[in-house]
Amino acid sequence: SQTIHQWPATLVQPVGSPLSLECTVEGTSNPNLYWYRQAAGRGLQLLFYSVGIGQISSEVPQNLSASRPQDRQFILSSKKLLLSDSGFYLCAWSALLDRGHYEQYFGPGTRLTVT
Amino acid sequence: AQTVTQSQPEMSVQEAETVTLSCTYDTSESDYYLFWYKQPPSRQMILVIRQEAYKQQNATENRFSVNFQKAAKSFSLKISDSQLGDAAMYFCAYEWGYNKLIFGAGTRLAVHP
Repeated sequence: SQTIHQWPATLVQPVGSPLSLECTVEGTSNPNLYWYRQAAGRGLQLLFYSVGIGQISSEVPQNLSASRPQDRQFILSSKKLLLSDSGFYLCAWSALLDRGHYEQYFGPGTRLTVT
Repeated sequence: AQTVTQSQPEMSVQEAETVTLSCTYDTSESDYYLFWYKQPPSRQMILVIRQEAYKQQNATENRFSVNFQKAAKSFSLKISDSQLGDAAMYFCAYEWGYNKLIFGAGTRLAVHP
């Protein structure tokens, strides 16, 4: 069965510091991968998605970037964090249903606080 | 543009009772999927149920069922025999291909003993 891991689980970083969040998926090959951000009490905002190694699509212009160095690894980064980067970050992978439709499965998330 | 609306920010239910969470969406597509996700206090998103737009029959997963009204663009979630563990945020989501899900703003469900 497939599992998805994220680390760290929680992170407190000062403004201006770099960021690296990691997501890995087990039990599947060449998955579509996604990064979402969720502000407190709010819905999910899609940040990036990837359909393969080195292929990244950005949904929202911001202070963040994503990379996919390996088939089942997805990394979210920032060179200099802003206070507005605080939130809950979720990684997801998608399973093909049919006719090009997918359903998404989420990791446990990372709670980021920028101070 | 596709949108998903959950008009109930908060709902509550007594344990063992039934509750219905509402979701409406706007689309011009005919081929799509709808999902309900549960986000408990741990904040991990859990897929509860899916509905394919081509299927008229409403999906059911144990105590969870949906009322899918395609013409009205409505997709409600019914939770029967509510349990304390059902307390969570519930998100309705729409998928029409292109590797993207659109989420509603969520409904917080409280379950009272």
